[in-house]
Amino acid sequence: QKEVEQDPGPLSVPEGAIVSLNCTYSNSAFQYFMWYRQYSRKGPELLMYTYSSGNKEDGRFTAQVDKSSKYISLFIRDSQPSDSATYLCAMFGNTGKLIFGQGTTLQVKP
Amino acid sequence: DTEVTQTPKHLVMGMTNKKSLKCEQHMGHRAMYWYKQKAKKPPELMFVYSYEKLSINESVPSRFSPECPNSSLLNLHLHALQPEDSALYLCASSQGPFLAGANQSTFFGPGTRLTVL
Repeated sequence: QKEVEQDPGPLSVPEGAIVSLNCTYSNSAFQYFMWYRQYSRKGPELLMYTYSSGNKEDGRFTAQVDKSSKYISLFIRDSQPSDSATYLCAMFGNTGKLIFGQGTTLQVKP
Repeated sequence: DTEVTQTPKHLVMGMTNKKSLKCEQHMGHRAMYWYKQKAKKPPELMFVYSYEKLSINESVPSRFSPECPNSSLLNLHLHALQPEDSALYLCASSQGPFLAGANQSTFFGPGTRLTVL
């Protein structure tokens, strides 16, 4: 079993839709959670960072962490074609290793 | 400034060549990382440097040799690579160490696209 599970999709939505991306994890030592956006042939871009449980909002993006369920989510409101990319969840315990999910490919259609 | 820079952007090398990848950050981060990414796969950890010392080597073959000359720079020396080593090589940095509540936002560079012929 992978430490971090993420549905690879692809996920296709119409422009303006609310997008929900999710990851589950098995290691209860994970405390630091991140979401990255990666365009084709580019480096991952940090979108959201959350420490421990709770919600965080930044513009159209909301990150949620539920440590009791070992489940994290990223919501994108009013999705745009420019949001079409691969979204990667990633998390640290205290080992110094940033562990990634498989990534979800999102396509937002105009 | 949350920028991590990497050079070169692209590199083509033969199996007998020696080349180096370079990474730089000026965020005062004390943890730096090398990742390898194949197409349609997530980044895969290779090495972690903490306070300029190698702290994690994920059983990477010795044809990859990392070096951290100072707190801002990270190099990856390449020698006698195989065609299967062709990939996007990503450098990243974070604040480190893992003290409770310390912000561990990790920033990636644009990567070096390596092709081994």
